[in-house]
Amino acid sequence: QKEVEQDPGPLSVPEGAIVSLNCTYSNSAFQYFMWYRQYSRKGPELLMYTYSSGNKEDGRFTAQVDKSSKYISLFIRDSQPSDSATYLCAMSAVDSSYKLIFGSGTRLLVRP
Amino acid sequence: ETGVTQTPRHLVMGMTNKKSLKCEQHLGHNAMYWYKQSAKKPLELMFVYSLEERVENNSVPSRFSPECPNSSHLFLHLHTLQPEDSALYLCASSQATPGLAGGRGTDTQYFGPGTRLTVL
Repeated sequence: QKEVEQDPGPLSVPEGAIVSLNCTYSNSAFQYFMWYRQYSRKGPELLMYTYSSGNKEDGRFTAQVDKSSKYISLFIRDSQPSDSATYLCAMSAVDSSYKLIFGSGTRLLVRP
Repeated sequence: ETGVTQTPRHLVMGMTNKKSLKCEQHLGHNAMYWYKQSAKKPLELMFVYSLEERVENNSVPSRFSPECPNSSHLFLHLHTLQPEDSALYLCASSQATPGLAGGRGTDTQYFGPGTRLTVL
């Protein structure tokens, strides 16, 4: 079993839709949770960073962490064609916080 | 140049060749990382350097040899690679000093654009 599971997609939505991206994980020691966005032929860039449980909002993006269910989500409101990319979840434990464990990524396509 | 740069962006090599990947960070960071990204697989952490000291060597075959001459530069020397080593190799840097006694662990990792490596 992988430590972090992420549906590879592709997920295709019309412009303006609300997008929900999710990851599940098995290691209860994970405390730091991140979402990265990776455009084609580019490196990943950090979108959202959350410590422990709860919600965090930044503009059109909302990250949620449910540690009891070992489930994290990224919501994108009013999705734009420029949001088309691969979204990677990543997480790490407190005692090895620099060791990011990544999901395999979900490819998102926002149709104009 | 800003951020994290990597050269070359594309590399094709035979199994008997020796080549090197270069990474440079212009952010004043203390830690640098090598990751491997294969198609449809998660990013795999390969090596971590913190203040030029290697703090992580994640069971990587010896045909990959990292070098960190200073906190701004990181190399990955390649020799006698296999076709399954074909992947995108990503470099990252962060302000934190992971793995060192008293070092602060978690911090945002900034990634370069990667080197697309093809081994024939």
